[in-house]
Amino acid sequence: DAKTTQPTSMDCAEGRAANLPCNHSTISGNEYVYWYRQIHSQGPQYIIHGLKNNETNEMASLIITEDRKSSTLILPHATLRDTAVYYCIVRVRERAQKLVFGQGTRLTINP
Amino acid sequence: NAGVTQTPKFRILKIGQSMTLQCTQDMNHNYMYWYRQDPGMGLKLIYYSVGAGITDKGEVPNGYNVSRSTTEDFPLRLELAAPSQTSVYFCASSPGQRTGELFFGEGSRLTVL
Repeated sequence: DAKTTQPTSMDCAEGRAANLPCNHSTISGNEYVYWYRQIHSQGPQYIIHGLKNNETNEMASLIITEDRKSSTLILPHATLRDTAVYYCIVRVRERAQKLVFGQGTRLTINP
Repeated sequence: NAGVTQTPKFRILKIGQSMTLQCTQDMNHNYMYWYRQDPGMGLKLIYYSVGAGITDKGEVPNGYNVSRSTTEDFPLRLELAAPSQTSVYFCASSPGQRTGELFFGEGSRLTVL
């Protein structure tokens, strides 16, 4: 599985868009990009996933570069409740049952 | 739907004791998982199951056992608890192999002294 690199921490002002980057330069053609977040010490929460097209749902947007070597998770109007650790995971879909969580990015939304 | 329910939420064990962490889900999901999370770290997969009667090891299975006799339940057994097993344990389920969307429980915080 491709390795991912995320910044250790980020800050964002409440109401602004939070853009969380993820580098996965060794991603292969059949690997998906998954994003999860973990608020405080709760169980992780699925956000979104994609292969090569940009994806959007009610929580966030996922932008994947054309070469697929990096992606950005966008929270369009961040609130204080979006403060969490965000995990970027790359995985072949057929092995999605064995998602590997790294250390993620600690996002702090400031009032 | 309650989703994924874990019990107990907190437990303190003495070294060498045994216990079972319970996990049940009411979403009729075939796939279930156990992860552990040490302080400041990401989650590590202990065991997973693709259906009743079928289990497989994850990254860190040593010191643990699981069983899956029903679709709903996936208990995690700790035999001979050790301080290294002090952690937060998360159970999760998903509807299928290809989805990648896991639903997590609230966690069980275990301390071994």
